[in-house]
Amino acid sequence: SYVLTQPPSVSVAPGQTASISCGGNKIGSKSVHWYQQKPGQAPVLVVYDDSDRPSGIPERFSGSNSENTATLTISRVEAGDEADYYCQVWHSSDHRYVFGTGTKVTVL
Amino acid sequence: QVQLVESGGAVVQPGGSLKLSCVASGFTFSNYGIHWVRQAPGKGLEWVAFIRYDGSDKYYADSVKDRFSISRDNSKNTVYLQMNSLRGDDTAVFYCARDGGPYFYYYYMDVWGEGTTVAVS
Repeated sequence: SYVLTQPPSVSVAPGQTASISCGGNKIGSKSVHWYQQKPGQAPVLVVYDDSDRPSGIPERFSGSNSENTATLTISRVEAGDEADYYCQVWHSSDHRYVFGTGTKVTVL
Repeated sequence: QVQLVESGGAVVQPGGSLKLSCVASGFTFSNYGIHWVRQAPGKGLEWVAFIRYDGSDKYYADSVKDRFSISRDNSKNTVYLQMNSLRGDDTAVFYCARDGGPYFYYYYMDVWGEGTTVAVS
């Protein structure tokens, strides 16, 4: 089965940039999607197809994907960005949807 | 507005069965595939199942295959998840989520419900 590995936690000061990695074998050949989940709430899509943003998501959220690592970048971090973030891909060989292990972003 | 509302969560004994429902509103339900995703207490997200917009294709995670069954009734804007032979590790919040676009596979989930809780004990 396909495995996506994320760092358990990332800490960042307000106004700085947070980078969250998502590692997977040849993940650069797949489309990566990112979700934000605040405590007690449902996930929210923040980036899809590596780097596209749904309407209503601030430009501060951006994504990239290459070789074995995809990255979600949050620029000018705000207190409201504190949440868990999950990457996700579709594994074509068995039509399964795979989520990463999740990263807790803490705003200092 | 676009909305998904889950229901049917309950406390059930191991080996028991439960049927979850997901009712959609605010969009043309019959054009969209729907996923079920679950989250065990304190854990990450786990994809459970997907049904295509017309019900013609269904896919399951290995952990639930042969125990869970996904279906839909487009006349009622509703997707169901029939869960049989429930185990303790099925305890989770179950979310339904819309696939990213109509008709074709988009491989991500763009709208989520608030979830319904299943406890197997």
